[in-house]
Amino acid sequence: DTAVSQTPKYLVTQMGNDKSIKCEQNLGHDTMYWYKQDSKKFLKIMFSYNNKELIINETVPNRFSPKSPDKAHLNLHINSLELGDSAVYFCASSPPGWQGGEQFFGPGTRLTVL
Amino acid sequence: GESVGLHLPTLSVQEGDNSIINCAYSNSASDYFIWYKQESGKGPQFIIDIRSNMDKRQGQRVTVLLNKTVKHLSLQIAATQPGDSAVYFCAERLPPGGATNKLIFGTGTLLAVQP
Repeated sequence: DTAVSQTPKYLVTQMGNDKSIKCEQNLGHDTMYWYKQDSKKFLKIMFSYNNKELIINETVPNRFSPKSPDKAHLNLHINSLELGDSAVYFCASSPPGWQGGEQFFGPGTRLTVL
Repeated sequence: GESVGLHLPTLSVQEGDNSIINCAYSNSASDYFIWYKQESGKGPQFIIDIRSNMDKRQGQRVTVLLNKTVKHLSLQIAATQPGDSAVYFCAERLPPGGATNKLIFGTGTLLAVQP
């Protein structure tokens, strides 16, 4: 069984479009994250949610809006896509408390904006 | 040896040799450190972690060393195998942890294992 899953795996779209990436975890974790990995493999956190509440909100354009309908899901909606949004987006989750150090990553969604 | 190329630093080793991947972290207040392995086309996978009150931790074929004096972390892989070829990331966590479990990732090192 996949622990952290993301859909779609690949997403190719035109500039200016709006798109969503979905993430689900079946680990029973309270905390979920979105990361962006650029072409140089640099991995940077964008958001985290704990029990549906926004905890970390890095300096991300407000075209990016995370939504957590329940603690097992954290979706990422992106409005007015730009060329610079092309990257691989990873969802992750972690248990609470001190155990919360290790984050479990999904397989990634490769977004290409044309 | 280790070299810095146009993109990721790369460490090239022969199969069966030991590998040492180094990482400098930025914040002396970081309380937890973790190493991830990322294979091509996949998400990062946990390898080993260490808390700031320790200086060494061993796993299966892997050892992490933490030197807080110089803010340095290393990952040692014994008897490196072709399946170890991947990009390796270190990450640090600033306190307080818990719900604000924010990991700050390093730039990554590409380990290339030559058969």
